[in-house]
Amino acid sequence: AQRVTQPEKLLSVFKGAPVELKCNYSYSGSPELFWYVQYSRQRLQLLLRHISRESIKGFTADLNKGETSFHLKKPFAQEEDSAMYYCAPLKRTGRRALTFGSGTRLQVQP
Amino acid sequence: DTAVSQTPKYLVTQMGNDKSIKCEQNLGHDTMYWYKQDSKKFLKIMFSYNNKELIINETVPNRFSPKSPDKAHLNLHINSLELGDSAVYFCASRPTGASYEQYFGPGTRLTVT
Repeated sequence: AQRVTQPEKLLSVFKGAPVELKCNYSYSGSPELFWYVQYSRQRLQLLLRHISRESIKGFTADLNKGETSFHLKKPFAQEEDSAMYYCAPLKRTGRRALTFGSGTRLQVQP
Repeated sequence: DTAVSQTPKYLVTQMGNDKSIKCEQNLGHDTMYWYKQDSKKFLKIMFSYNNKELIINETVPNRFSPKSPDKAHLNLHINSLELGDSAVYFCASRPTGASYEQYFGPGTRLTVT
């Protein structure tokens, strides 16, 4: 069965600490992968996608096909990073629709 | 300029009622979606329309009926509301093409009492 898992519901770190939000997927083929973020009282928005290999707001995510993971990382967390983060794989064939993980709430304390 | 808008923002209603949530996007996108976010923050796709045509219909009770009068609008009508329908409903849209970036509306918080 196709599944995306974000094992942590809540991740609490202090400002300046490194952050890693975990995402594991079990999909046939090689899905495209995305991270979406929802800041407090704002709408869900795209943070980054693996094909772009970009760094957005200091966040990066590397696709590890061997481990089927797409963890989101930032070396030094900021208070404004506090938000809900969703990992979302997308199948390359067949029904093309994002499937969202259960989300991880990141809390960055001062 | 709001890209994807939803009305109402909050909806409180009693069990058994029928209600609608409206969604409009002014981005010229061809594909629109409805998602449901439950109290545990799980975000699940319900429906997807492409150019007014239904392309994804997840296992959703048939009390939920999407309607797309044109490609800029995708409304969600819910009949005989139940307590379990309480959730935040998000509309989203995306352009045709390789990018799968979806643009989300602000959400409608539905509370069924």
